[in-house]
Amino acid sequence: DAKTTQPNSMESNEEEPVHLPCNHSTISGTDYIHWYRQLPSQGPEYVIHGLTSNVNNRMASLAIAEDRKSSTLILHRATLRDAAVYYCILRGLDAGGTSYGKLTFGQGTILTVHP
Amino acid sequence: EAQVTQNPRYLITVTGKKLTVTCSQNMNHEYMSWYRQDPGLGLRQIYYSMNVEVTDKGDVPEGYKVSRKEKRNFPLILESPSPNQTSLYFCASSLGQGTTEAFFGQGTRLTVV
Repeated sequence: DAKTTQPNSMESNEEEPVHLPCNHSTISGTDYIHWYRQLPSQGPEYVIHGLTSNVNNRMASLAIAEDRKSSTLILHRATLRDAAVYYCILRGLDAGGTSYGKLTFGQGTILTVHP
Repeated sequence: EAQVTQNPRYLITVTGKKLTVTCSQNMNHEYMSWYRQDPGLGLRQIYYSMNVEVTDKGDVPEGYKVSRKEKRNFPLILESPSPNQTSLYFCASSLGQGTTEAFFGQGTRLTVV
């Protein structure tokens, strides 16, 4: 799987937007960009994913660069509950067209949200 | 409610005493996997299963066994636990394709003394 690079940590204030960057310069054409987060003492939780176009859901937005070598997870209004480790993961497809769900986690970005 | 359920949540055991951590999902997912999480090493895949009776090794399979006799269950077996298997374990399930989300259990914190 292609590698991703994220800052070790970021800080934000409550109710402000947060932009979490991810670099993936070796991404292949069939790699999907996934974001998961892990709240303290919990299992990882899916946030959002995309291929080429920007994506929005109830939790966040995903902005994907035109060359797909980087992406940004956007939390529009951070809350204290958003304090977590955020993982940017590339999921590719095997020759059969499925990836069998493997997720290769890096170290992620520790997001601290201040009241 | 879509769920992945692991049991137990916490376990302390002694070296060499066989144990099983259970994992069950209610979403009819084909793909299930086990991860361990250690400080500084992140989450690493132990074993995975693509469907009933189909399992394969992940990145760190030594000392573990799994089985997939039913679609919903994917137990993790430690035949002879050792202290280096002290870790936080997570079970996950998904539809098995790169485009879909994975669901994780709440974790099992295992201590082997």
